[in-house]
Amino acid sequence: SQTIHQWPATLVQPVGSPLSLECTVEGTSNPNLYWYRQAAGRGLQLLFYSVGIGQISSEVPQNLSASRPQDRQFILSSKKLLLSDSGFYLCASKSDGTEAFFGQGTRLTVV
Amino acid sequence: GENVEQHPSTLSVQEGDSAVIKCTYSDSASNYFPWYKQELGKRPQLIIDIRSNVGEKKDQRIAVTLNKTAKHFSLHITETQPEDSAVYFCAASIEYSSASKIIFGSGTRLSIRP
Repeated sequence: SQTIHQWPATLVQPVGSPLSLECTVEGTSNPNLYWYRQAAGRGLQLLFYSVGIGQISSEVPQNLSASRPQDRQFILSSKKLLLSDSGFYLCASKSDGTEAFFGQGTRLTVV
Repeated sequence: GENVEQHPSTLSVQEGDSAVIKCTYSDSASNYFPWYKQELGKRPQLIIDIRSNVGEKKDQRIAVTLNKTAKHFSLHITETQPEDSAVYFCAASIEYSSASKIIFGSGTRLSIRP
C-alpha cells in the first residue's frame, strides 16, 4: 500500500509570510495527487490535483499554488499568507484501482 | 463539475442501533465511491468503498449501497458501538480518466449514545 509523508505536522506563521508544505509518496508510481483544506469542524475542500509531473489543476481561486516537480512529490505554496488560510491541510495520493491514502496533515495557524 | 451532497450533517443513535448516511452525486461518469472515517485531529481513513459495477458491498457491520440511476449511495452501520463515533465522509471520483479528482461530501458527525 501507499505511504504518504507530509510535513510539518503543525505550523504557526504570521500574516504575509510565505508557505511551503511538502508531501512525498512511497509505494506507487505515477499516482494522482491531491491537496485538501479542512476548516475546523468542516468538510474536505479540494484545492489542487495533479495527474502527472508538472500537471496541476486548481479547483479554488486563491493565493495558494501547487507544484509537482517529481512523480511522487507534491508541494503547496503561498507567497503571502492570509488569516483565512488557517486550517488543516491534507495531502492525498490515489492510483487507479486503489483507495486514496492521506498524509498525517498539517495544522496551519496564521497569526 | 462533480458535486457531492451528504445528509445528515449530524446523527445521534443509541448504542446497538443502526446508522444510515446518504449521499448524492451529480456527475454520471463517477465510478468510484469511497467512505472515510475521521477521528478528531486525525487523517481520514477508508472504511469501505464501492465501484459502479456492483450495487452493494458489505464488510462486517458496515455496508454500502449504490444506485447509479438515481446517483445515490448510502452507508449503513449496524450494531453501533462507542468507537463508531467520528465524522464520516462520502466521496465520488472517476477512475481510469484524466478527470480524476475526488470530491467529498460535507461530512456527518456521528455520535453513539451509551
